[in-house]
Amino acid sequence: LAKTTQPISMDSYEGQEVNITCSHNNIATNDYITWYQQFPSQGPRFIIQGYKTKVTNEVASLFIPADRKSSTLSLPRVSLSDTAVYYCLARGDSSYKLIFGSGTRLLVRP
Amino acid sequence: DTEVTQTPKHLVMGMTNKKSLKCEQHMGHRAMYWYKQKAKKPPELMFVYSYEKLSINESVPSRFSPECPNSSLLNLHLHALQPEDSALYLCASSQDAGQNYGYTFGSGTRLTVV
Repeated sequence: LAKTTQPISMDSYEGQEVNITCSHNNIATNDYITWYQQFPSQGPRFIIQGYKTKVTNEVASLFIPADRKSSTLSLPRVSLSDTAVYYCLARGDSSYKLIFGSGTRLLVRP
Repeated sequence: DTEVTQTPKHLVMGMTNKKSLKCEQHMGHRAMYWYKQKAKKPPELMFVYSYEKLSINESVPSRFSPECPNSSLLNLHLHALQPEDSALYLCASSQDAGQNYGYTFGSGTRLTVV
């Protein structure tokens, strides 16, 4: 399982774009990058998953460069309700485990 | 139905009590999981069930006993817990245990051991 490293915390303001970068230097060839969001006293919620280049859905975009040693979760025009912990995970095809790293605490201010 | 339902939402138990946590999903998912989460820490994997069989036990103490009665239900039986076992217990499911499937988590059971 590839180890992931994220900033411990980030601050932003409503309406701004937020980019959270995750480092995964020892990512394996068949690992996917997955991001989850967690609000206090709730379970994590799947946001987005990708393997390379760019993936976009209604919530976020995920950018993965060609070397795949890092990835960036982009949240467009954040609101107060985006205040949460965001987890980056790298997971291989043969792994039955979803192992969470420390996550990034995002605080969105008015 | 796209939810994982956990009951109870809150539980207070003594160190000599026996209690059970319940988890239910009706999405046809064949993999189910238990996680433990302490305050301001990431979720920690405890057990993985795949097709109703226990496939991973992350060296969890025997005072935690999982059970999967059928493909929709997952229980966690608790006995002789310690105060340090107080945490948020999260259940999750996925279509299969492979990498390509996202997890759906329940809202958890907040357990306090007194």
